[in-house]
Amino acid sequence: KQEVTQIPAALSVPEGENLVLNCSFTDSAIYNLQWFRQDPGKGLTSLLLIQSSQREQTSGRLNASLDKSSGRSTLYIAASQPGDSATYLCAVRRGGATNKLIFGTGTLLAVQP
Amino acid sequence: SAVISQKPSRDICQRGTSLTIQCQVDSQVTMMFWYRQQPGQSLTLIATANQGSEATYESGFVIDKFPISRPNLTFSTLTVSNMSPEDSSIYLCSFSGGFARRDEQFFGPGTRLTVL
Repeated sequence: KQEVTQIPAALSVPEGENLVLNCSFTDSAIYNLQWFRQDPGKGLTSLLLIQSSQREQTSGRLNASLDKSSGRSTLYIAASQPGDSATYLCAVRRGGATNKLIFGTGTLLAVQP
Repeated sequence: SAVISQKPSRDICQRGTSLTIQCQVDSQVTMMFWYRQQPGQSLTLIATANQGSEATYESGFVIDKFPISRPNLTFSTLTVSNMSPEDSSIYLCSFSGGFARRDEQFFGPGTRLTVL
């Protein structure tokens, strides 16, 4: 059974710092991995999608890496801003017809001005 | 990219009643999903809804409690039946962008349900 864990559970940093969020998964047979952002009481915003054959994806100040063999992904946020404060979720998708996402536990990020 | 909306955005309901949540996507999508997020928790898949067939429910979720309709390729509803305070959660609908979007998944804004 696939399990997805995110470390740390919460993180507080001063504005301008670079930071790394971690995601680990127990079954390396994934189809892709997706990072999301969730603001309090809101839905999810897709940030980055990495296919199983890819090593990393970049969008603006965000860079996500994937090491499928070791069951790890990282989300790197450069020059953090108070507006980056949110919960960050990673999710892995199994292969096959189910197309089901398994979500991690989330990292609550607070960027202090 | 497609826009996905949900109604209502929030509701406060009495124990024993039912609530139907609507999800509308502005383009046709094959697979739609319903998730639940209990307070302080991550997301759990309730069921997968395909047009023209019965929804497929995950372990721990049953059709009598969470009936789902999928009348066409842009719309789905989830009903939370005979509610109890344990049903207080955010309910999110979602769709997969399919092959053209490399199976990227998108989520609606959520429905925040409080059961008294």
